[in-house]
Amino acid sequence: QLQLQESGPGLVKPSETLSLTCTVSGGSISSSSYYWGWIRQPPGKGLEWIGYIYYSGSTYYNPSLKSRVTISVDTSKNQFSLKLSSVTAADTAVYYCASYYYYGTHFGYWGQGILVTVSS
Amino acid sequence: DIQMTQSPSSLCASVGDRVTITCRASQSITSYLNWYQQKPGKAPKLLIYAASSLQSGVPSRFSGSGSGTDFTLTISSLQPEDFATYYCQQSYNTPYSFGQGTKLEIK
Repeated sequence: QLQLQESGPGLVKPSETLSLTCTVSGGSISSSSYYWGWIRQPPGKGLEWIGYIYYSGSTYYNPSLKSRVTISVDTSKNQFSLKLSSVTAADTAVYYCASYYYYGTHFGYWGQGILVTVSS
Repeated sequence: DIQMTQSPSSLCASVGDRVTITCRASQSITSYLNWYQQKPGKAPKLLIYAASSLQSGVPSRFSGSGSGTDFTLTISSLQPEDFATYYCQQSYNTPYSFGQGTKLEIK
């Protein structure tokens, strides 16, 4: 079964760019059955879908973040990445990567999550 | 954008109780509705997809129903490990959205 693992800095300064990577194991990121997504959860709050990417590079972003988000995929490393620019304290959250199963239309596998704090 | 509203926001119940959580969409999402369970410090876990299909490995005491705008998650007999926060999520169209969560606590 798929396993996903987030990595990246846990602390980012305001106005800088948050960068995270998700490494996929147990399956190929080039599978036609999955989109690869990012979801975040501010401390004590609910879940927000950020966006996802297909192995071909097609991306879909939440319009609320679209101007600041870039999701990319590296099939050679079986990884996909998130960049969120011009961060503020409101971007402090646990960031999860997750697989979206195209045929079941659900997020079936999740990483453990990584807390990113925006602070100077 | 589609708004998802769960009720109640919190719920106290006892082991063995039957519990129902409701999720309402701001427009019809047919059956594109998923339910997740989240325990403190952990990632959400998929329980139900397509409104009523039980994810592999999930106990049969969990069930889902509904279509259109109104959906329910039912736990037929609460077990100690079921005390957690539950989220619904629509995958009818992007941007995908989640309900605000229902925290299930021990009475």
